Amino acid sequence: ETGVTQTPRHLVMGMTNKKSLKCEQHLGHNAMYWYKQSAKKPLELMFVYSLEERVENNSVPSRFSPECPNSSHLFLHLHTLQPEDSALYLCASSQDYSGGSYEQYFGPGTRLTVT
Amino acid sequence: GENVEQHPSTLSVQEGDSAVIKCTYSDSASNYFPWYKQELGKGPQLIIDIRSNVGEKKDQRIAVTLNKTAKHFSLHITETQPEDSAVYFCAAILSGGGADGLTFGKGTHLIIQP
Repeated sequence: ETGVTQTPRHLVMGMTNKKSLKCEQHLGHNAMYWYKQSAKKPLELMFVYSLEERVENNSVPSRFSPECPNSSHLFLHLHTLQPEDSALYLCASSQDYSGGSYEQYFGPGTRLTVT
Repeated sequence: GENVEQHPSTLSVQEGDSAVIKCTYSDSASNYFPWYKQELGKGPQLIIDIRSNVGEKKDQRIAVTLNKTAKHFSLHITETQPEDSAVYFCAAILSGGGADGLTFGKGTHLIIQP
């Protein structure tokens, strides 16, 4: 596997379910991100992890819970979602230097449908 | 926070012609401006980027220009081909001292007419 991989690629869940999205990066990067892509809206940053510590939480509802056990893996735990949470969830990674972090590389995304 | 506006939302050009997509940003401190291409069913792919200390960058048929004074940057694609059809996103970020999230434009659907 190369680049950034995400599983599952498609997920349908009811509002009372609990599920998790998984992301793995094979680029040796030390920062990982979750973005949400909804129809007719710009990609929205949800969470940023650098060196496995959460550095940004972009006012995301608590029904989304991220986890970063190591620099290669990132999870997004989902529970009691709403239909408006249906979207493409994208994971990205980058190399975080002391002078900044630039190129971000995205995975293929998980298409989530909440029924 | 940063705000990025992107135009047009849809652009249709004849194969072989050039395409230009424009973006403006609000935060004059932003220092990194990437462009992404997203094909159906795939994640965004980084195609070119520019940092604030450079005015223009070119990579084969694609180029990006940056005007810091006016706070706008543009993507130029020359000699367009059918495989250039996709949605293109611009983004901006103030990057320094740690990982930062990108602020994206709404995207441009580029259609290459045969």
